[in-house]
Amino acid sequence: EADIYQTPRYLVIGTGKKITLECSQTMGHDKMYWYQQDPGMELHLIHYSYGVNSTEKGDLSSESTVSRIRTEHFPLTLESARPSHTSQYLCASSEVSTNEKLFFGSGTQLSVL
Amino acid sequence: GDSVTQMEGPVTLSEEAFLTINCTYTATGYPSLFWYVQYPGEGLQLLLKATKADDKGSNKGFEATYRKETTSFHLEKGSVQVSDSAVYFCALIKAAGNKLTFGGGTRVLVKP
Repeated sequence: EADIYQTPRYLVIGTGKKITLECSQTMGHDKMYWYQQDPGMELHLIHYSYGVNSTEKGDLSSESTVSRIRTEHFPLTLESARPSHTSQYLCASSEVSTNEKLFFGSGTQLSVL
Repeated sequence: GDSVTQMEGPVTLSEEAFLTINCTYTATGYPSLFWYVQYPGEGLQLLLKATKADDKGSNKGFEATYRKETTSFHLEKGSVQVSDSAVYFCALIKAAGNKLTFGGGTRVLVKP
């Protein structure tokens, strides 16, 4: 069973608000990822991290930022949310040695009005 | 760059029908191939994988064979159940790669 948690599960906010999506894992995995999933279900990698103090931008440009101060925690922040940020955000983690198997959280469905 | 192409859904089937979801890939070298499944309201889970040509991955009645000559990794199940209703993602990673490349996903709906 995956031990990776995302909160909140659903979030509805107004334009211009600052938000942070939380992601935590208890498996001690070094690698963590953020994916944005559009309504057509396609997954886009927006951020990833190989360990503490390591963050990289993914394949899809995103106005969000991430931080990795602790191994288990990989929050994603939007400084000023806009309707175009409305999407499902999925967090995942994997071991360094077996980066092929990702464990996913249940996701955060963000709606910006 | 690397890419994965899946058949578009939704795929609607009756219970006990045969399911095939086509997946083809473009990549240099010898990638490992995967199928992930996303049940309603959940994150993705690894369903099966194959790491070299002619390998067959299998799990929960699903199978997929790594075909290098056709660069394909089609997913099959002989008799689907309502509980198989989900979105299925094909993916690859190269031996020296560090990120999975996902296909666009195929939604499957199984009706009783």
